Amino acid sequence: DVKVTQSSRYLVKRTGEKVFLECVQDMDHENMFWYRQDPGLGLRLIYFSYDVKMKEKGDIPEGYSVSREKKERFSLILESASTNQTSMYLCASRGTGGTEAFFGQGTRLTVV
Amino acid sequence: QKEVEQNSGPLSVPEGAIASLNCTYSDRGSQSFFWYRQYSGKSPELIMFIYSNGDKEDGRFTAQLNKASQYVSLLIRDSQPSDSATYLCAVTGGAGSYQLTFGKGTKLSVIP
Repeated sequence: DVKVTQSSRYLVKRTGEKVFLECVQDMDHENMFWYRQDPGLGLRLIYFSYDVKMKEKGDIPEGYSVSREKKERFSLILESASTNQTSMYLCASRGTGGTEAFFGQGTRLTVV
Repeated sequence: QKEVEQNSGPLSVPEGAIASLNCTYSDRGSQSFFWYRQYSGKSPELIMFIYSNGDKEDGRFTAQLNKASQYVSLLIRDSQPSDSATYLCAVTGGAGSYQLTFGKGTKLSVIP
C-alpha cells in the first residue's frame, strides 16, 4: 500500500517561529510537491522537487523554503511564520511517466 | 500561467441521478488529466485518470476528454450521498512536465 506520510496532523505555532513540515514517501518517486489549500483558493503549489537536492518554485513560494536531502523526504520550512500562513498544507509525490500524485494526510497549521 | 477552471458549485443532485462535473484547461500541450475526490477535512484521493480523447469508464464513473476543446468532464451515475464531496480536476503540462495544476474544485451534494 503506497504511502505519503506527513509528520503532523495539526500544528499550532507562534508568529515569528521557524516551522518545519516533514513529508516522507515510500514509493521511490522522483517528484515531490508541497501545496497549501485555502477555502475558495483551491490547491496552490508552493514548491516542488524533481530529484534529490533539486527544487523549483511553484506559484506561491514567498515566505517558504524547502529541503530534499534524501529521495524519500521533502521538507517545507517557514522561515518566520506569519498569521497569513495559517492553512492546510498537503504534500504529494508522483512518479515519472504521467502517473497520478499521491497525497499525505495534510497538516493543518495555525499561526497565532 | 497554466489555468484549470471548474465551477465551484455547489452542485446539488438527487440520489440516483447523474452528476456532471466539468473542467477546462488553458495549456494546449497538457497530456494527462486526473479527477480527485476530497471529503471535508481529508486529503484528495484519485478517482480516475484519462490520457486519450474519448470516454473512460470505471464503475459508476466516466471521464470524458476532448483535447480540441480543452475540456474534461466526470460523470457520476446513480449518485449516492457518499459521493458528496469536492471534486478536483488536475492537469499535467506537456512532455517532461512534473507538475500537476489543480482546479479549485466543484462541491457536489447528493440529496437523499
